Amino acid sequence: DAGITQSPRHKVTETGTPVTLRCHQTENHRYMYWYRQDPGHGLRLIHYSYGVKDTDKGEVSDGYSVSRSKTEDFLLTLESATSSQTSVYFCAISESVQLGRSYEQYFGPGTRLTVT
Amino acid sequence: AQSVTQLDSHVSVSEGTPVLLRCNYSSSYSPSLFWYVQHPNKGLQLLLKYTSAATLVKGINGFEAEFKKSETSFHLTKPSAHMSDAAEYFCVVSERTGANNLFFGTGTRLTVIP
Repeated sequence: DAGITQSPRHKVTETGTPVTLRCHQTENHRYMYWYRQDPGHGLRLIHYSYGVKDTDKGEVSDGYSVSRSKTEDFLLTLESATSSQTSVYFCAISESVQLGRSYEQYFGPGTRLTVT
Repeated sequence: AQSVTQLDSHVSVSEGTPVLLRCNYSSSYSPSLFWYVQHPNKGLQLLLKYTSAATLVKGINGFEAEFKKSETSFHLTKPSAHMSDAAEYFCVVSERTGANNLFFGTGTRLTVIP
């Protein structure tokens, strides 16, 4: 398995509180991604990073921010958690991307977040 | 734009019988396609990938998929289902530009009946 860990693995929080999820990799891959998984939607991209301090928005970025100060860590922050952000969150990593080629992504074990 | 349609949300087969999970894709470019599997309460594991080499792709655990450009399909098959195959399966298309973002289908839950 690719060296990807996520913390915490489970979290329950109240509406309106900030929450930070951490993804840590030991593969030295350049690209990192945050997804959320909801029934009937598959996985949807929230944000991604293509290098230290380089990030961009995905399909469902509203209400989320990210930071990457080191190659190995990618943080996802819910600035003010809402019940609609109750979900399972997955981190993924990928090697450097070359034009015309596509690399698979490797996924972490997930974080189950419940917002009450 | 890229998108994936998994034609069945739930497939049920008997142990030892063939498995067919259907996937159609839409892509503005020559796509890369993947199948991932997710066992209950687990992360996602890559089963196989198509990246414009051979159109018949073999993956782990006896699964294979065939890329058919004329039908825009990438169906997943296995000759004989095993109980351990029970899981959720995702068909995924990738853009080959930008940040290699993946676009997921909504998943097919495979049940294997003993």
